[in-house]
Amino acid sequence: KQEVTQIPAALSVPEGENLVLNCSFTDSAIYNLQWFRQDPGKGLTSLLLIQSSQREQTSGRLNASLDKSSGRSTLYIAASQPGDSATYLCAVSNPGTYKYIFGTGTRLKVLA
Amino acid sequence: DAGVIQSPRHEVTEMGQEVTLRCKPISGHNSLFWYRQTMMRGLELLIYFNNNVPIDDSGMPEDRFSAKMPNASFSTLKIQPSEPRDSAVYFCASSSARDYGYTFGSGTRLTVV
Repeated sequence: KQEVTQIPAALSVPEGENLVLNCSFTDSAIYNLQWFRQDPGKGLTSLLLIQSSQREQTSGRLNASLDKSSGRSTLYIAASQPGDSATYLCAVSNPGTYKYIFGTGTRLKVLA
Repeated sequence: DAGVIQSPRHEVTEMGQEVTLRCKPISGHNSLFWYRQTMMRGLELLIYFNNNVPIDDSGMPEDRFSAKMPNASFSTLKIQPSEPRDSAVYFCASSSARDYGYTFGSGTRLTVV
Protein backbone atom coordinates (compact mmCIF):
# COMPACT_ATOMS: atom_id res chain seq x y z
CA LYS A 1 0.00 0.00 0.00
CA GLN A 2 1.45 3.35 -1.06
CA GLU A 3 2.14 5.81 1.74
CA VAL A 4 3.34 9.37 1.28
CA THR A 5 5.17 11.33 3.97
CA GLN A 6 6.12 14.98 4.00
CA ILE A 7 8.74 16.51 6.23
CA PRO A 8 8.74 18.97 7.87
CA ALA A 9 5.08 19.39 8.80
CA ALA A 10 5.61 23.11 9.26
CA LEU A 11 8.33 25.55 8.29
CA SER A 12 8.87 29.23 8.97
CA VAL A 13 11.58 31.14 7.08
CA PRO A 14 12.56 34.76 6.47
CA GLU A 15 11.81 36.31 3.12
CA GLY A 16 14.45 35.74 0.46
CA GLU A 17 15.61 32.38 1.73
CA ASN A 18 15.89 29.38 -0.58
CA LEU A 19 14.12 26.36 0.84
CA VAL A 20 13.49 22.68 0.22
CA LEU A 21 10.37 20.69 0.99
CA ASN A 22 10.62 16.92 1.15
CA CYS A 23 8.29 14.13 0.08
CA SER A 24 8.90 10.41 0.43
CA PHE A 25 6.84 7.46 -0.76
CA THR A 26 7.01 3.77 0.11
CA ASP A 27 6.35 2.18 -3.29
CA SER A 28 8.88 3.38 -5.86
CA ALA A 29 6.86 2.03 -8.82
CA ILE A 30 5.04 5.29 -9.31
CA TYR A 31 3.48 6.64 -12.48
CA ASN A 32 3.31 10.36 -11.68
CA LEU A 33 4.15 12.71 -8.85
CA GLN A 34 2.41 16.03 -8.48
CA TRP A 35 3.04 18.99 -6.17
CA PHE A 36 0.14 21.19 -5.10
CA ARG A 37 -0.30 24.38 -3.18
CA GLN A 38 -3.28 25.02 -0.90
CA ASP A 39 -4.08 28.40 0.60
CA PRO A 40 -6.17 28.48 3.80
CA GLY A 41 -9.82 27.77 3.08
CA LYS A 42 -9.13 27.27 -0.61
CA GLY A 43 -8.78 24.44 -3.10
CA LEU A 44 -5.59 22.83 -4.37
CA THR A 45 -3.60 24.41 -7.16
CA SER A 46 -1.29 22.22 -9.21
CA LEU A 47 2.30 23.47 -9.25
CA LEU A 48 4.33 20.81 -11.01
CA LEU A 49 3.76 17.32 -12.39
CA ILE A 50 6.67 14.91 -12.85
CA GLN A 51 6.16 11.77 -14.87
CA SER A 52 8.05 8.64 -13.84
CA SER A 53 10.46 8.95 -16.76
CA GLN A 54 11.45 12.49 -15.75
CA ARG A 55 13.98 13.63 -13.14
CA GLU A 56 12.77 17.19 -12.60
CA GLN A 57 10.38 19.93 -13.62
CA THR A 58 10.75 23.69 -13.29
CA SER A 59 8.28 26.54 -13.19
CA GLY A 60 9.56 29.99 -12.35
CA ARG A 61 11.11 29.93 -8.88
CA LEU A 62 9.97 26.35 -8.30
CA ASN A 63 11.94 23.22 -9.12
CA ALA A 64 10.75 19.72 -8.31
CA SER A 65 13.04 16.71 -8.52
CA LEU A 66 12.23 13.02 -8.46
CA ASP A 67 14.39 10.09 -7.38
CA LYS A 68 12.22 7.02 -7.87
CA SER A 69 14.77 4.51 -6.67
CA SER A 70 15.01 6.15 -3.27
CA GLY A 71 11.33 7.01 -3.11
CA ARG A 72 11.86 10.73 -2.77
CA SER A 73 10.95 14.06 -4.29
CA THR A 74 11.95 17.57 -3.30
CA LEU A 75 10.34 20.90 -4.06
CA TYR A 76 12.87 23.73 -4.17
CA ILE A 77 11.60 27.29 -3.80
CA ALA A 78 14.09 29.99 -4.67
CA ALA A 79 14.08 33.46 -3.14
CA SER A 80 10.97 32.85 -1.05
CA GLN A 81 8.33 35.57 -0.72
CA PRO A 82 5.50 36.13 1.79
CA GLY A 83 3.08 35.23 -1.00
CA ASP A 84 4.54 31.72 -1.01
CA SER A 85 3.01 31.11 2.41
CA ALA A 86 0.64 28.15 2.03
CA THR A 87 0.45 24.41 2.56
CA TYR A 88 2.34 22.36 -0.01
CA LEU A 89 1.14 18.84 -0.76
CA CYS A 90 2.82 16.04 -2.62
CA ALA A 91 0.82 13.26 -4.29
CA VAL A 92 1.79 10.10 -6.18
CA SER A 93 -0.04 7.75 -8.50
CA ASN A 94 0.85 4.17 -9.32
CA PRO A 95 0.65 2.43 -12.72
CA GLY A 96 -2.69 0.85 -13.52
CA THR A 97 -4.61 3.28 -11.35
CA TYR A 98 -5.71 6.82 -12.00
CA LYS A 99 -5.78 7.90 -8.38
CA TYR A 100 -3.29 9.93 -6.37
CA ILE A 101 -2.30 9.30 -2.77
CA PHE A 102 -1.57 12.49 -0.87
CA GLY A 103 0.90 13.37 1.84
CA THR A 104 -0.23 15.40 4.83
CA GLY A 105 1.54 18.52 3.59
CA THR A 106 4.10 21.06 4.74
CA ARG A 107 2.70 24.31 6.09
CA LEU A 108 5.06 27.09 4.98
CA LYS A 109 5.19 30.58 6.39
CA VAL A 110 7.50 33.15 4.81
CA LEU A 111 8.09 36.13 7.08
CA ALA A 112 8.42 39.63 5.64
CA ASP B 1 -11.97 26.66 -19.64
CA ALA B 2 -13.76 27.44 -16.38
CA GLY B 3 -11.98 24.63 -14.55
CA VAL B 4 -13.66 22.10 -12.30
CA ILE B 5 -16.87 23.58 -10.93
CA GLN B 6 -18.36 22.49 -7.62
CA SER B 7 -21.59 23.51 -5.99
CA PRO B 8 -22.59 24.58 -3.48
CA ARG B 9 -19.51 26.28 -2.00
CA HIS B 10 -20.93 26.00 1.50
CA GLU B 11 -23.64 23.77 2.92
CA VAL B 12 -25.00 23.76 6.43
CA THR B 13 -27.55 21.08 7.20
CA GLU B 14 -29.12 19.35 10.14
CA MET B 15 -28.24 15.84 11.13
CA GLY B 16 -30.39 13.31 9.31
CA GLN B 17 -30.94 15.43 6.24
CA GLU B 18 -29.90 14.44 2.73
CA VAL B 19 -27.02 16.34 1.20
CA THR B 20 -26.10 16.42 -2.49
CA LEU B 21 -22.81 17.82 -3.72
CA ARG B 22 -22.28 18.53 -7.41
CA CYS B 23 -19.29 18.60 -9.72
CA LYS B 24 -18.72 19.54 -13.33
CA PRO B 25 -15.32 18.33 -14.57
CA ILE B 26 -13.19 20.00 -17.21
CA SER B 27 -14.48 19.27 -20.68
CA GLY B 28 -12.46 16.46 -22.25
CA HIS B 29 -11.25 15.04 -18.94
CA ASN B 30 -12.21 11.40 -18.67
CA SER B 31 -11.50 10.71 -14.98
CA LEU B 32 -13.26 12.26 -12.00
CA PHE B 33 -12.37 11.95 -8.32
CA TRP B 34 -14.14 12.80 -5.07
CA TYR B 35 -11.94 13.58 -2.04
CA ARG B 36 -12.74 14.56 1.52
CA GLN B 37 -10.40 16.74 3.57
CA THR B 38 -10.36 17.03 7.35
CA MET B 39 -7.77 18.27 9.81
CA MET B 40 -7.47 14.84 11.38
CA ARG B 41 -7.22 12.67 8.26
CA GLY B 42 -6.03 14.99 5.52
CA LEU B 43 -7.14 14.27 1.96
CA GLU B 44 -8.93 10.96 1.52
CA LEU B 45 -10.07 9.55 -1.81
CA LEU B 46 -13.71 8.53 -1.62
CA ILE B 47 -14.42 7.29 -5.15
CA TYR B 48 -13.28 7.80 -8.70
CA PHE B 49 -14.77 7.34 -12.14
CA ASN B 50 -13.16 6.67 -15.49
CA ASN B 51 -15.28 7.31 -18.57
CA ASN B 52 -18.29 7.71 -16.26
CA VAL B 53 -17.82 4.25 -14.74
CA PRO B 54 -17.01 3.88 -11.02
CA ILE B 55 -13.58 2.24 -10.75
CA ASP B 56 -12.77 2.31 -7.06
CA ASP B 57 -15.23 3.15 -4.29
CA SER B 58 -13.25 1.55 -1.48
CA GLY B 59 -12.86 4.92 0.21
CA MET B 60 -16.58 5.53 0.58
CA PRO B 61 -17.00 5.44 4.35
CA GLU B 62 -20.46 3.92 4.67
CA ASP B 63 -23.59 3.02 2.80
CA ARG B 64 -24.84 6.49 3.62
CA PHE B 65 -22.53 7.77 0.89
CA SER B 66 -23.25 7.29 -2.79
CA ALA B 67 -21.89 8.83 -5.98
CA LYS B 68 -23.07 8.92 -9.56
CA MET B 69 -21.75 10.14 -12.88
CA PRO B 70 -24.65 10.01 -15.33
CA ASN B 71 -22.64 11.68 -18.11
CA ALA B 72 -19.18 13.03 -18.85
CA SER B 73 -20.00 16.51 -17.61
CA PHE B 74 -21.67 15.91 -14.26
CA SER B 75 -21.24 13.99 -11.03
CA THR B 76 -22.97 13.98 -7.67
CA LEU B 77 -21.97 12.83 -4.21
CA LYS B 78 -24.90 12.17 -1.91
CA ILE B 79 -24.97 11.63 1.83
CA GLN B 80 -28.19 10.27 3.28
CA PRO B 81 -28.69 10.58 6.20
CA SER B 82 -25.98 13.08 7.11
CA GLU B 83 -24.18 13.02 10.47
CA PRO B 84 -22.03 15.61 12.27
CA ARG B 85 -18.89 13.53 11.60
CA ASP B 86 -19.44 14.04 7.87
CA SER B 87 -18.49 17.69 8.33
CA ALA B 88 -15.49 18.32 6.07
CA VAL B 89 -14.45 19.94 2.82
CA TYR B 90 -15.33 17.80 -0.17
CA PHE B 91 -13.25 18.25 -3.29
CA CYS B 92 -13.82 17.08 -6.81
CA ALA B 93 -10.92 16.72 -9.25
CA SER B 94 -10.67 15.66 -12.86
CA SER B 95 -7.84 14.47 -15.08
CA SER B 96 -7.23 13.61 -18.70
CA ALA B 97 -5.49 10.69 -20.33
CA ARG B 98 -2.93 13.16 -21.68
CA ASP B 99 -0.91 13.34 -18.49
CA TYR B 100 -3.21 12.16 -15.67
CA GLY B 101 -2.50 15.32 -13.69
CA TYR B 102 -5.26 16.53 -11.39
CA THR B 103 -7.22 19.76 -11.56
CA PHE B 104 -9.23 20.44 -8.41
CA GLY B 105 -12.43 22.31 -7.87
CA SER B 106 -12.77 24.91 -5.11
CA GLY B 107 -14.50 22.44 -2.81
CA THR B 108 -17.74 22.31 -0.84
CA ARG B 109 -17.49 23.02 2.87
CA LEU B 110 -20.11 20.85 4.56
CA THR B 111 -21.23 21.45 8.12
CA VAL B 112 -23.70 19.03 9.68
CA VAL B 113 -25.17 20.29 12.94
